[in-house]
Amino acid sequence: ILNVEQSPQSLHVQEGDSTNFTCSFPSSNFYALHWYRWETAKSPEALFVMTLNGDEKKKGRISATLNTKEGYSYLYIKGSQPEDSATYLCAFPNYGGSQGNLIFGKGTKLSVKP
Amino acid sequence: DTEVTQTPKHLVMGMTNKKSLKCEQHMGHRAMYWYKQKAKKPPELMFVYSYEKLSINESVPSRFSPECPNSSLLNLHLHALQPEDSALYLCASSPSQGGGNEQFFGPGTRLTVL
Repeated sequence: ILNVEQSPQSLHVQEGDSTNFTCSFPSSNFYALHWYRWETAKSPEALFVMTLNGDEKKKGRISATLNTKEGYSYLYIKGSQPEDSATYLCAFPNYGGSQGNLIFGKGTKLSVKP
Repeated sequence: DTEVTQTPKHLVMGMTNKKSLKCEQHMGHRAMYWYKQKAKKPPELMFVYSYEKLSINESVPSRFSPECPNSSLLNLHLHALQPEDSALYLCASSPSQGGGNEQFFGPGTRLTVL
C-alpha cells in the first residue's frame, strides 16, 4: 500500500515567520509529486506539480524542493501572512503515475497569527 | 473559466432517499474525478472518468453510481446510503488522465446521511 507522510500535522507561527514542512513518499517508480493548499470552506488549489529530481518551484513567497532519490519534498513559506493559514496537502500518483489517481497525505495545518 | 462548480453545497438525506450530486467544468478537461473526504482525513479517490468513460472505480459500493453525460458534467447518484457515508464529496478535473496533471477541485458537497 502506497504511503504518503506529511509532517508536522499542525504548525502555529507568527506573522512574518518563515516556515517549512515535509512530504515523504516512496522513492521507487517516482512519477510526480503534487502540492495543494486547502483553505477552510474553499476548494483545494494546486500549488506545484513536480517531476524532476532536484527541481525547485516558486510561487510568490511559497517554494518547494524535490528529492526523488530519497523520497521527500519540502514546502517553504517565507514571511508567513495570516492569509497563508490553510492545510497544505501533498499527493503522489498511484499505479505508476499513468492513471492520475492521487494518494494524498494527511496534510499540515498551518495557522498564522497576526 | 477556471472553475469547477458543485451542487448542492449541502445535502441531508435519509437512508431510503435517492439523490444526485452534480459537478461541472468548462475548461475543456477530459478527465474528471470524485473524491470522498471524511473529517480529519485526506481526500480518497472514488472514481475517475477519462473522455466520458469510467476509467477507475476504487472498489466503491454500488450505492454510489457515477455518470458522465458529457465532457463538462459529472454526476454522482446516491441510493440507500448509510450514515457512515456522511462526508465531503469533492469533484476535480484535469486536462487528461495522468499523474503529472494538476487537478482543479470544486468546493465540495457536504453530505449528511440520517
